[in-house]
Amino acid sequence: EADIYQTPRYLVIGTGKKITLECSQTMGHDKMYWYQQDPGMELHLIHYSYGVNSTEKGDLSSESTVSRIRTEHFPLTLESARPSHTSQYLCASSSPGQSFYGYTFGSGTRLTVV
Amino acid sequence: AQSVSQHNHHVILSEAASLELGCNYSYGGTVNLFWYVQYPGQHLQLLLKYFSGDPLVKGIKGFEAEFIKSKFSFNLRKPSVQWSDTAEYFCAVRGNNRLAFGKGNQVVVIP
Repeated sequence: EADIYQTPRYLVIGTGKKITLECSQTMGHDKMYWYQQDPGMELHLIHYSYGVNSTEKGDLSSESTVSRIRTEHFPLTLESARPSHTSQYLCASSSPGQSFYGYTFGSGTRLTVV
Repeated sequence: AQSVSQHNHHVILSEAASLELGCNYSYGGTVNLFWYVQYPGQHLQLLLKYFSGDPLVKGIKGFEAEFIKSKFSFNLRKPSVQWSDTAEYFCAVRGNNRLAFGKGNQVVVIP
């Protein structure tokens, strides 16, 4: 059972709507990440955070934005959803430095924009 | 930036067959290597990892992987698969404080 929670699990929404994908972790991890996953493709890093008030864009350009006001919470927002945003979004976290052992992933949010 | 290449995206095999999934990485620094598994409808889970030491790494559920530095490879193996091993398998390399993933291998085990 993962200690990182994503909601909603599935979301179908119309073009132009604003959406926020939630991600919370209970492990006290400083580092958190958002990946985009499409079938047959690599997981692409779109955002990451190394701590409160720290956010950076990842390797794949994304129109989404993130915030990190609390350690445990790392929501992703799309101001105006488009069909090209249809994808699975995975949230992950990791412990820092010497205690790094890999990422813990949430179950993902499968987003469909119609 | 680091990158990972996985071959044979779709693999279909029968129970008790042996499985080997190839993974080649590109990164100039000290690498940490991982294999993750995603069972249908579930989240990505860590299967095994290599940081240093013995290049033959044993993970959960009978999986193992061998780090061959000269070949930039970290291939995953299991001698005898079960139907429950049906899943997608992702190789990843850590560099610059982040993980880069391959495209994954979709493995289907036929009972």
